[in-house]
Amino acid sequence: KAGVTQTPRYLIKTRGQQVTLSCSPISGHRSVSWYQQTPGQGLQFLFEYFSETQRNKGNFPGRFSGRQFSNSRSEMNVSTLELGDSALYLCASSSHAGQGVSPLHFGNGTRLTVT
Amino acid sequence: SQQGEEDPQALSIQEGENATMNCSYKTSINNLQWYRQNSGRGLVHLILIRSNEREKHSGRLRVTLDTSKKSSSLLITASRAADTASYFCATLSGTYKYIFGTGTRLKVLA
Repeated sequence: KAGVTQTPRYLIKTRGQQVTLSCSPISGHRSVSWYQQTPGQGLQFLFEYFSETQRNKGNFPGRFSGRQFSNSRSEMNVSTLELGDSALYLCASSSHAGQGVSPLHFGNGTRLTVT
Repeated sequence: SQQGEEDPQALSIQEGENATMNCSYKTSINNLQWYRQNSGRGLVHLILIRSNEREKHSGRLRVTLDTSKKSSSLLITASRAADTASYFCATLSGTYKYIFGTGTRLKVLA
């Protein structure tokens, strides 16, 4: 079974630009969540989707948005990039994330650098 | 920001020694999971301990959970160089939202 695939692996963008990151979950997994990882803040929850519905959102500004498609693939978008958005963005899929007993399966992330 | 606290932040040991890392939360813990992250890569699930369990073993891993103290510990016995990684605890906060600990960076010297 293929794992979680995130594309692209690396991105370099300039302040003010926007970026779209993609995540393909493990086949059959309907829950996809996104995390931002930085040295200073650690792993921070961005949002979680299940069957195309956002079920929870973290404390991030509206510049961060996401969506999920009918095939469970997900994208996240960051508009008007700031230097502080430089981070490793991780996507995780799960069969169902509600009870805390299903493991999260992570992709290798997209390393975003904003200059 | 909501995070679990892990200590130590970094740990350096010799191959063959045991490594213990601790995790605590300010909010209540239900089921708790531990993950490993190799440098610059995604996290890998190691073990789950449910809220009604106090201790769980898996291979060289031993996890304990104390819900009254809102804390957990991970013990890796007979460490190997390949165990060098960062280790994170994670628990659900509300619905569908995992809160991760700050992480412990483990270095195992050959």
